[in-house]
Amino acid sequence: QKEVEQNSGPLSVPEGAIASLNCTYSDRGSQSFFWYRQYSGKSPELIMSIYSNGDKEDGRFTAQLNKASQYVSLLIRDSQPSDSATYLCAVNPGGYNKLIFGAGTRLAVHP
Amino acid sequence: DADVTQTPRNRITKTGKRIMLECSQTKGHDRMYWYRQDPGLGLRLIYYSFDVKDINKGEISDGYSVSRQAQAKFSLSLESAIPNQTALYFCATSASGLYTEAFFGQGTRLTVV
Repeated sequence: QKEVEQNSGPLSVPEGAIASLNCTYSDRGSQSFFWYRQYSGKSPELIMSIYSNGDKEDGRFTAQLNKASQYVSLLIRDSQPSDSATYLCAVNPGGYNKLIFGAGTRLAVHP
Repeated sequence: DADVTQTPRNRITKTGKRIMLECSQTKGHDRMYWYRQDPGLGLRLIYYSFDVKDINKGEISDGYSVSRQAQAKFSLSLESAIPNQTALYFCATSASGLYTEAFFGQGTRLTVV
């Protein structure tokens, strides 16, 4: 079992819709969770971090964390074509202080 | 100027050659990381360092070595490059602590022919 798993996609949504991206992780002791966006050929950039169970909102982005079920999700409201990218879920496994990444989900927002 | 700088940005090398990728940062972070990215596989951790004297192997360290010359510099070496090391390589840094994100360099596209 991979430490961090994501559906590779592509996830295709129409402009203005909500995109929902999911991630599961295996280390129950994981403490911090991050979503990065990566455009093709570019470096990953952080868009959200979450550390406690529940929802965290930042503009059009909402991160959701459920430690009991070991999943973290990212919702993108009012999706725009500029949101088309690969979204990487990253987890800091308990006690190791390093980031482990999922393979990423490719999102395509079509006009 | 970028906070995390990688050199070179692109490199083509021949099988069996030794190559070094360099990373420097101005963020003052203690921790530095080297990842490689292959299509469909996400970012895989090669080596990471928490300070100059603390270097650790990641998921895929075979065939690679690293050197932390200073707090701000972390280099990755391929002792004898092979074609399946063709990939996009990223250096990243983070501050100490459990709740700190990683900041990435621009990446180095390495092709081994």
